Amino acid sequence: AQSVAQPEDQVNVAEGNPLTVKCTYSVSGNPYLFWYVQYPNRGLQFLLKYITGDNLVKGSYGFEAEFNKSQTSFHLKKPSALVSDSALYFCAVSEGGGADGLTFGKGTHLIIQP
Amino acid sequence: DAGVIQSPRHEVTEMGQEVTLRCKPISGHDYLFWYRQTMMRGLELLIYFNNNVPIDDSGMPEDRFSAKMPNASFSTLKIQPSEPRDSAVYFCASTYKPGHTGELFFGEGSRLTVL
Repeated sequence: AQSVAQPEDQVNVAEGNPLTVKCTYSVSGNPYLFWYVQYPNRGLQFLLKYITGDNLVKGSYGFEAEFNKSQTSFHLKKPSALVSDSALYFCAVSEGGGADGLTFGKGTHLIIQP
Repeated sequence: DAGVIQSPRHEVTEMGQEVTLRCKPISGHDYLFWYRQTMMRGLELLIYFNNNVPIDDSGMPEDRFSAKMPNASFSTLKIQPSEPRDSAVYFCASTYKPGHTGELFFGEGSRLTVL
């Protein structure tokens, strides 16, 4: 069975500083990895994905994520945080390209302080 | 494109009542998913459809829950009878055929409160 762990319930970062939101995964085959963001009272929005190829994936709003197979991690990063980045972030995994239903982590609250 | 449309956005009902949540996926998307979000359990996949056919309903909590997709542009999630522990935000999402982007497009959600 596939699973995702987001070890931090909340991450606090000062505006302008780099941010990292951690994610580790477990799958039996090749992973398809995703990051989504959720703003209050809204649905989830896709940020980026890793399917194959370059381990560093770039996505929306200046976010990027690095796939590390040996550490089974897919951490989300941004070089310089904005207050508007404050939201709930979900890591997700699939073994079927995303169309068989994603397994989501519990989510990490990212709080960017002015 | 209007995106995935869900209704109602908010529903407050009493224990024992029937609840029906509705979803209109993005036109041309072959897959439709129902997720439930709670503080305790996070996001849980309840059921998903491919070309209007239910593929995996192993996440449906119990027989009180049922889902249908009578055509490519409409799906319902029904709870009968409802219980307070069903209180959650229910999301519908759709996507293209497998092997495409794999990106799910979510609706705004239906917040259900069962008293």
